[in-house]
Amino acid sequence: DAGVIQSPRHEVTEMGQEVTLRCKPISGHDYLFWYRQTMMRGLELLIYFNNNVPIDDSGMPEDRFSAKMPNASFSTLKIQPSEPRDSAVYFCASIRLAGGSNEQFFGPGTRLTVL
Amino acid sequence: EDQVTQSPEALRLQEGESSSLNCSYTVSGLRGLFWYRQDPGKGPEFLFTLYSAGEEKEKERLKATLTKKESFLHITAPKPEDSATYLCAVQALSGYALNFGKGTSLLVTP
Repeated sequence: DAGVIQSPRHEVTEMGQEVTLRCKPISGHDYLFWYRQTMMRGLELLIYFNNNVPIDDSGMPEDRFSAKMPNASFSTLKIQPSEPRDSAVYFCASIRLAGGSNEQFFGPGTRLTVL
Repeated sequence: EDQVTQSPEALRLQEGESSSLNCSYTVSGLRGLFWYRQDPGKGPEFLFTLYSAGEEKEKERLKATLTKKESFLHITAPKPEDSATYLCAVQALSGYALNFGKGTSLLVTP
């Protein structure tokens, strides 16, 4: 299996621009998570989905952030407009609870820099 | 509110010098406690899940233990390739998200 796939791996943009991060979970996994990692705050949950339905979005910072999961194979995290404080590494992770394992598999991350 | 505190923030060991990393936690009903390893520029890599106090798991030079308030990751006779950041996370009964500590950065020198 290819594992969790994220794109792009690196994104540099200017303040005010729209940014879209993409994630393809492991095939057959029924939960998908978006996390953000910074030096100051560590790794924090933004939102997670179960069977494409958002379950907990309490970590989404504000209305500038939105996430969608149109099907079981694809999710996006959009920031509009972006701000310098959004600079971080964004991780996507997935699990398959039906398989009896609670282990979250993480993607390689997208490093976002907002100038 | 769930909270995870890891100590020390950074640890430097000589190759072969055993030590332990600490993870203290508070959670409103523990579903599981997770240990991950993270190398620079990569995503966290799963090591262990512990579900109840008294449980222990081992993998090569690593052993994780769990009490009702903390978990330890024991590293026996570490090698330079064990150098990484080790992350602890708790999962509450109320959901499946992980609440992470800030990690311990481990450096093992030859």
